[in-house]
Amino acid sequence: SQQGEEDPQALSIQEGENATMNCSYKTSINNLQWYRQNSGRGLVHLILIRSNEREKHSGRLRVTLDTSKKSSSLLITASRAADTASYFCATDRYTDKLIFGTGTRLQVFP
Amino acid sequence: DAGVIQSPRHEVTEMGQEVTLRCKPISGHDYLFWYRQTMMRGLELLIYFNNNVPIDDSGMPEDRFSAKMPNASFSTLKIQPSEPRDSAVYFCASSLTGEQPQHFGDGTRLSIL
Repeated sequence: SQQGEEDPQALSIQEGENATMNCSYKTSINNLQWYRQNSGRGLVHLILIRSNEREKHSGRLRVTLDTSKKSSSLLITASRAADTASYFCATDRYTDKLIFGTGTRLQVFP
Repeated sequence: DAGVIQSPRHEVTEMGQEVTLRCKPISGHDYLFWYRQTMMRGLELLIYFNNNVPIDDSGMPEDRFSAKMPNASFSTLKIQPSEPRDSAVYFCASSLTGEQPQHFGDGTRLSIL
């Protein structure tokens, strides 16, 4: 069963615009992670945010976490065509197992 | 620095045949995970190992699926006999600890005819 649901399911933007993806989950978590998957490739880890953190930055990425609403958002600023990929959130509930969401397909047009 | 290596990258076989997928994790990583990805069900965890020991196989769909990790640098996922509904992309991932980010291989695209 999937813990997280991303929305939107698909997003199309122009290069230079910002992209925001949201993730909602159902139960208390320890950590939340975001991964990227390029077509035909494996997932690549982007950023990890702990349950006691509210915001984290990494380069052009900004992640927020609201544990009261059981939701997280991933913001990619100044998007590039190379950011075209699917993005997944993944949560762990104080175990070694990650449960992945349904993913957002991002298309960035040059 | 080699990442997680999976083989084969593509496998096409007929229903009823045995299929063996292989994975070499990143050296030094204590955890190894097997996932299956389909359009309908998304990314599902099948089984994971810690220090070569299977910890949780609750995601393995049926007895037709089995996984082994004979040593720290090699794992296999076997399907016998295979069925068309097993068609999917199978990923292997490894991590230093259970909490650390997982590193994924590029997957095996399996088609059962």
